[in-house]
Formats: sequence, structure tokens, C-alpha cells
Amino acid sequence: ETGVTQSPTHLIKTRGQQVTLRCSSQSGHNTVSWYQQALGQGPQFIFQYYREEENGRGNFPPRFSGLQFPNYSSELNVNALELDDSALYLCASSLDHNNEQFFGPGTRLTVL
Amino acid sequence: GENVEQHPSTLSVQEGDSAVIKCTYSDSASNYFPWYKQELGKRPQLIIDIRSNVGEKKDQRSAVTLNKTAKHFSLHITETQPEDSAVYFCAASSPGAQKLVFGQGTRLTINP
Repeated sequence: ETGVTQSPTHLIKTRGQQVTLRCSSQSGHNTVSWYQQALGQGPQFIFQYYREEENGRGNFPPRFSGLQFPNYSSELNVNALELDDSALYLCASSLDHNNEQFFGPGTRLTVL
Repeated sequence: GENVEQHPSTLSVQEGDSAVIKCTYSDSASNYFPWYKQELGKRPQLIIDIRSNVGEKKDQRSAVTLNKTAKHFSLHITETQPEDSAVYFCAASSPGAQKLVFGQGTRLTINP
């Protein structure tokens, strides 16, 4: 059984650019949730994908978008990057949308 | 929406003593309460969780208690060890909400 993986590990972008972050769910899991964790804070829910459909969204603007592939891996896309988007982006996978969520190592995004 | 408050923000205990972290939640419909441990630069790791049909759950040196009437739950770590030093997050989830709502975290330091 393989755990949740994310890529890249670190990323530096400038304001206005676009970024794509990737997540591979744990084997057997069909749900991926994305969270943003600012320094010193708890993770904040961005959205969840269940069987390739968006299944809930937090208080993030439309420039945060995502998708899930048939193998249940997922992407998070952020357009028009702002300085406040600098954070650790975590994905978590679970079997169905109401079970334990297991986190990946995260992608550290820095926006300059 | 759901709001989770966590206290204390920092906690320092002597090795071998017990540590207690408390959380309150606002949504009476919440039914799932996990606790995560996050070491510096690493992913949040699920250490123990409890569902609303249970009042207490134990796993090795960790235990979680839930008081649905008061809408609060607590993490108890007994016989603390230096490797318990980390940031601990509580979270809550309600049926159909998909997302985990996290507390602000508690930085636990175990002094040798």
C-alpha cells in the first residue's frame, strides 16, 4: 500500500503567475481533499473531489480550481497568484468522502 | 459554518507527565473528531479519532474524550516522551460536509 504523494515539494512563483500542484492518492482511495496551511495556522479546506466530481468547496475564490483523474490522482490549479497564496498546500485522500483523511507531505508555495 | 477553537496554543510538560489539549466546536451536527500530529516540516499524521456515538477512545498512550452536550473534546497523552514534541491539531466534521475544520493548533514541548 502506497501513501499519499505530492509534487513538487517546493515552488517559487511571482505575482500574477499560474501554478499547478499534483497529488496521488493512497491506493484504494477515491476521494482527494485539498487544504491550504498558512504558517502557524491549521489547514483550511479548499475543495474535495470524489469520483472525479467536485464534492464541496471552502471559502476560496474561483481562481482556485482543481480536477480529479480516473486513477483518482488530483491537481490543484491557482491562477493570478497573490502574495497571500504563499502557504503549504496539502492534499489528503480517503476512501469515500466521510472517512479518515490521510495527508500527503505538502507543496510549499512561495509567491514573490 | 463550523468553528473549532483549540487551547492552549502552547504547552510544555516534563517527560513522563501527561498532556491535555482541549477543543470546542460550534456545529452540534458534527460527528467525527480526529486529532493530527504535525512535526516540523512534515505532513499532519492522524493519531486518533472519535465518532459521536462514542464517549471515549484509547490507543496506546493517547486517549480522546467527547462531550456532545458541551460540544468539546480533548486529547490526553500519558507518559509523554521527547518524540511527542510537535504541533497537534484537532478537527471536526459534520455529515455531508466532507471537509475537516481544524483548530489553530497546540505546540507541545516535552522537556527531558
